[in-house]
Amino acid sequence: NAGVTQTPKFQVLKTGQSMTLQCAQDMNHNSMYWYRQDPGMGLRLIYYSASEGTTDKGEVPNGYNVSRLNKREFSLRLESAAPSQTSVYFCASSPSRDRGYEQYFGPGTRLTVT
Amino acid sequence: AQKITQTQPGMFVQEKEAVTLDCTYDTSDQSYGLFWYKQPSSGEMIFLIYQGSYDEQNATEGRYSLNFQKARKSANLVISASQLGDSAMYFCAMREVTTSGTYKYIFGTGTRLKVLA
Repeated sequence: NAGVTQTPKFQVLKTGQSMTLQCAQDMNHNSMYWYRQDPGMGLRLIYYSASEGTTDKGEVPNGYNVSRLNKREFSLRLESAAPSQTSVYFCASSPSRDRGYEQYFGPGTRLTVT
Repeated sequence: AQKITQTQPGMFVQEKEAVTLDCTYDTSDQSYGLFWYKQPSSGEMIFLIYQGSYDEQNATEGRYSLNFQKARKSANLVISASQLGDSAMYFCAMREVTTSGTYKYIFGTGTRLKVLA
């Protein structure tokens, strides 16, 4: 049981390049989330998905797209990276039937855009 | 709009002492959940404790307790008998229900705790 996995762990991009951050969970959770963490800003929600085939915008969706490929996988795509997207990206999942509905987080992807 | 406020950017505590990390929230929902997460320097997010809005008792998990004051809209984390390994960033979060009936979470900006030997 690996929990939530993210790839890659580190990435450096040049401005204008594109890339996809991958996330997968093996806990059979319905809901999945993408956050970015910047110094002094806490975690800000980019996109989330309540179930396979559905996605919704969070607080800071501009410049990103997502795909909920199946129940396990939720990817985040940067079509044209900008320096303002330099951040640590966390994927998380949560069940919909447990008492607390707490989120389980992946280890994060540290992205630098130059 | 729902909001989480953590007013203490940094805190120091002596080893073996207790410390309280403040969290206030703003919501118009009747049903909500409050969470605390720990983020050590290694970067992972670790779930600590949960309090439901209808829970009458304050939540406790080992050395962690949540001081829930609903009327004041506060959900402070109390760490008893601090250990050096408690040095980390701590985030308060709230679960809210979206217009489509799903859950999403908002986070505070965090408090960095340093435990002194």
